[in-house]
This record gives sequence, structure tokens and C-alpha cells, in this order.
Amino acid sequence: GAVVSQHPSRVICKSGTSVKIECRSLDFQATTMFWYRQFPKKSLMLMATSNEGSKATYEQGVEKDKFLINHASLTLSTLTVTSAHPEDSSFYICSARGGQGADTQYFGPGTRLTVL
Amino acid sequence: GEDVEQSLFLSVREGDSSVINCTYTDSSSTYLYWYKQEPGAGLQLLTYIFSNMDMKQDQRLTVLLNKKDKHLSLRIADTQTGDSAIYFCAERVDYKLSFGAGTTVTVRA
Repeated sequence: GAVVSQHPSRVICKSGTSVKIECRSLDFQATTMFWYRQFPKKSLMLMATSNEGSKATYEQGVEKDKFLINHASLTLSTLTVTSAHPEDSSFYICSARGGQGADTQYFGPGTRLTVL
Repeated sequence: GEDVEQSLFLSVREGDSSVINCTYTDSSSTYLYWYKQEPGAGLQLLTYIFSNMDMKQDQRLTVLLNKKDKHLSLRIADTQTGDSAIYFCAERVDYKLSFGAGTTVTVRA
């Protein structure tokens, strides 16, 4: 139980285009989903917290117009990187809170974004 | 990030025990977690401990928590080559997780 999927696992796009990443909780309902960014050999940086049906809460320094988050249902949240630039290249990981045990966050497998 | 600190590297011989240490700063942490990340993959929850516990054992994994010193450790018994990965500790405060930078564990034959 408590499986979280992300799609796509890997995406390459041209500078200036927008990219949408999906995060799904497959076998449980997630009231809250989190989006993280991980730089090479670095820790995870929380970007935003999203609750189903309401606006996402962004961490300080994260541009909400750049990283659009939609949490349309209890099993799906999307992150759209708008007008992507090479510096947006990173590993994006989502997590979902719910399932059994301790309100634990269960993580997706991540999406590797490369912007050319 | 900066509120959670871990040593960056650990090399251990196959069959020995591994001990990964972590310190945190927020005394209001409710849960503390250990996650494992293999190359190119997301984070796998290994185990967690509630902040009012001192120890938790789960098969080869033993978590020790010293709340007074804000020190958390993960011991892996009989370390195998499949245990080679990056291990992150994380503290939870108000449903947010703060991660350490990760400890890269290398298991040598």
C-alpha cells in the first residue's frame, strides 16, 4: 500500500516551453501533497504544499507564477513549470500524506527535467 | 536543510553494521524519519520514530533517538551490497519535513 507515482519519469524540453508533471496516490487518498526539488548530491528542498481543492502554499523564494500547482482531486496533483529555462533543470519529487501510519509522507519516484 | 545535519559519507564492509548519525534542531519535532534513495529514484521510507520513543527496531534496522541531545541514529545490521544508497533523516514539524543533506553509504566486499 501507499504507492505514489509520477509521470513522466524523465522529460527533455526546449527553453521557453511549459512542462507538466503529474503526481498520483494510487491506493490511498492524499489530503495533502508536497512538491520538492532536489539538486545533484543535495538534500530535498520543499517547494510547496498543496491541499485538495485549495491554493498551494509556496515556500519562501519559490515563484508561484513559475511553478503552478493544481490539486484537483484527492489522488492527483500537478506541477507545471512555465516558460522553462536551463536553470529549472532538476529532479522534482512529489510526496503524498495519508495512507496508514503516522501521517507519513510517501514519495513518488521523481521526474528528471532537462531544459535545453 | 540547515536544521538537520548528517555526515556525508560512510564506507562499510559487507556483513558489518552501519551506523548513520543525524542531529536536528527543532524540539517540537513530532516524528523523525529515515528514507533511502537509490540512484535516479525517489525516496523510500525505511522507518520512523515518534518523538517520545527512545528506540525502535524493525528487522535489520534499529533507530535510536536521544531527544535531549536531538540526536538520531540508524543502525543497519549485517549490511549488504543492496544497502548502498543515500540515506536521509528528516524531522517533521507541523506536517512539513526538513531533510538532512543525506549520507552516502558505500558497502565494500
